[in-house]
Amino acid sequence: SQTIHQWPATLVQPVGSPLSLECTVEGTSNPNLYWYRQAAGRGLQLLFYSVGIGQISSEVPQNLSASRPQDRQFILSSKKLLLSDSGFYLCAWVTKYDEQFFGPGTRLTVL
Amino acid sequence: QKEVEQNSGPLSVPEGAIASLNCTYSDRGSQSFFWYRQYSGKSPELIMSIYSNGDKEDGRFTAQLNKASQYVSLLIRDSQPSDSATYLCAVSGGYSTLTFGKGTMLLVSP
Repeated sequence: SQTIHQWPATLVQPVGSPLSLECTVEGTSNPNLYWYRQAAGRGLQLLFYSVGIGQISSEVPQNLSASRPQDRQFILSSKKLLLSDSGFYLCAWVTKYDEQFFGPGTRLTVL
Repeated sequence: QKEVEQNSGPLSVPEGAIASLNCTYSDRGSQSFFWYRQYSGKSPELIMSIYSNGDKEDGRFTAQLNKASQYVSLLIRDSQPSDSATYLCAVSGGYSTLTFGKGTMLLVSP
C-alpha cells in the first residue's frame, strides 16, 4: 500500500532563514505530487505540483520553490522566510481516479 | 479563477441527527469532486469521491452531485460526536490539481 511521509512535523524558524521541507512516497512509482499550504483562517492553497522528475509547476508566485530530485521525493524550499510563510504545509499524491491522499503535514511557524 | 464555496459554519447537530453540508463550484468543466474530513491539527482525510450526477453512498455518508446546478453535498446520517471536524469540499482541475473550499465546521453534541 502507498504511504506518504513528511518531515519535519513541526518547525519554528526566524524571519529570513532558509527552509527545506521533504516529502517522500512509498508504494507507487512516478506519482503526481503536490504541495499545499493551509494558513490560519484560510483554505488549502495549491503551491506546486509535479508530474515527474525535474518537472515543477508553480501555482502561486511567492518566495517558495520546489524540486523533485527523485521519482518519489518532493522538496519545498525557501531562501529567506517571511512571516506570511507560516502555516501547515501538506504534501499529497494522486491515484488514477484523481483521489489525492495527504501526508501528515509540517507545521511551520516563522517568528 | 476557479472557486469553491462552502458555508463556514459551525453547523451544530445533535447526536443521531443528519448533518447536511453543501458546496458550490464555479468551473463547469470540473469532472471529479471530493469531500475531506479534517480534525484540528491533522491533515485532511478523503471520505468521499463522486464523479457523476446523483447520489453515492458509503456507510453513513452520502455524496450528492448536480453538475447542472454546480452543487455538491455531503449527508452524514446518525451523526456521532467523533464526526465533529471541518469538512472540505474539493474540485479537480488540470493534472488532478484540487481547488478546495474553506471548509465547514461540524459540531455534533452528545
